[in-house]
Amino acid sequence: EPEVTQTPSHQVTQMGQEVILRCVPISNHLYFYWYRQILGQKVEFLVSFYNNEISEKSEIFDDQFSVERPDGSNFTLKIRSTKLEDSAMYFCASSSQNSPLHFGNGTRLTVT
Amino acid sequence: GQQLNQSPQSMFIQEGEDVSMNCTSSSIFNTWLWYKQDPGEGPVLLIALYKAGELTSNGRLTAQFGITRKDSFLNISASIPSDVGIYFCAGPALGETSGSRLTFGEGTQLTVNP
Repeated sequence: EPEVTQTPSHQVTQMGQEVILRCVPISNHLYFYWYRQILGQKVEFLVSFYNNEISEKSEIFDDQFSVERPDGSNFTLKIRSTKLEDSAMYFCASSSQNSPLHFGNGTRLTVT
Repeated sequence: GQQLNQSPQSMFIQEGEDVSMNCTSSSIFNTWLWYKQDPGEGPVLLIALYKAGELTSNGRLTAQFGITRKDSFLNISASIPSDVGIYFCAGPALGETSGSRLTFGEGTQLTVNP
């Protein structure tokens, strides 16, 4: 079964550094998402992306966050200047129209 | 924003027992989704419900979309050790498609003792 793949599985970075989290969505999906999950908490929506632009974003997704689909297969989340509170699991997801989301296995981001 | 209240927060059961968990909301949902998350992995879709009153099964799992559209339950029959994990309910808001922004519940942590 096709799946969403994310790299790296674990990223450690220092506060203030930039990180890029990478995702390869399922190939025939057109809608892409980033969610995050702080340890022990629920999964929270960050941003949705369709037709090469952001379709919706949450209050968490402030100016330090950006997303990009640099080519036909990758979908990236960039955090410009990481803060301690950005430490979390970041999940990429994709879907086709009116179908449930399929999630990747996540990238664990640790900001020290 | 919308909130989903999931209960119980955690359950400890013996292998072979049946399990029931539920999810309620103050807002109407037009889709209910149930996901399972294993440690270190992403949520995996178990069951999707699209119509009020709908009862859907997936193996030993059964879920129902409440008539009021503000609640859903998930049952697991004859639990086995690999049922261990966190179960999340989730849904898009009224007027949004199932492929859009999802609100997740807090999760039910299930532990199954062999």
